[in-house]
Amino acid sequence: QLQLQESGPGLVKPSETLSLTCTVSGASISSSNYYWGWIRQPPGKGLEWIGTLYQSGRTYHNPSLKSRVTISADFSLRLSSVTATDTAVYYCASGYTGFDSFDNWGQGTLVTVSS
Amino acid sequence: SSELTQDPAVSVALGQTVRITCQGDNLRNYDVSWYQQKPGQAPVLVISGKNSRPSGIPDRFSGSTSGNTASLTITGAQAEDEADYYCHSRDNSGTQLRVFGIGTKVTVL
Repeated sequence: QLQLQESGPGLVKPSETLSLTCTVSGASISSSNYYWGWIRQPPGKGLEWIGTLYQSGRTYHNPSLKSRVTISADFSLRLSSVTATDTAVYYCASGYTGFDSFDNWGQGTLVTVSS
Repeated sequence: SSELTQDPAVSVALGQTVRITCQGDNLRNYDVSWYQQKPGQAPVLVISGKNSRPSGIPDRFSGSTSGNTASLTITGAQAEDEADYYCHSRDNSGTQLRVFGIGTKVTVL
């Protein structure tokens, strides 16, 4: 059973960098059977796709976040120059290669941007 | 980039059928998946990109696509189906960019 768990600071100051880790159990991040994604949800709002990491190491990210997003090969997320609008619950998720759906999700972690 | 349009809210009487729609030009080219989210919980996949149900999802949930419109149908809605539902697909750019719909709040009366 594949499981995911987000971890990281719950409070980040404006202009600093948000850093989160996703711990995966039940599969290897390097497995060709899966791809890995980050999704966020501001309080009271809908889901926003942040980016996806593929087994090849290739990453894609939401153009609205411009160049602030980095998803590393270990599936960690970095979001630079944060503002209050980056306050959200951040989820990591996985999908099966060849299918365009996120089948398994972490429980999510709330990150608040505030001084 | 592409957008996926959903009605903000729908209601359904207990035991009746409700259809939730998702519109977007990208749906002509790419599969759509659907997620259920209850308050304070992570989203759960209810319909995958091939309009199939993952293990454990009741068969009252079904998905379909026609042209630029995808639908999630709940046949015989139960009280526990009250939740937000999001559609999801690829962006129409021809790459692996993804997009979510704005979500539909389903109320079971």
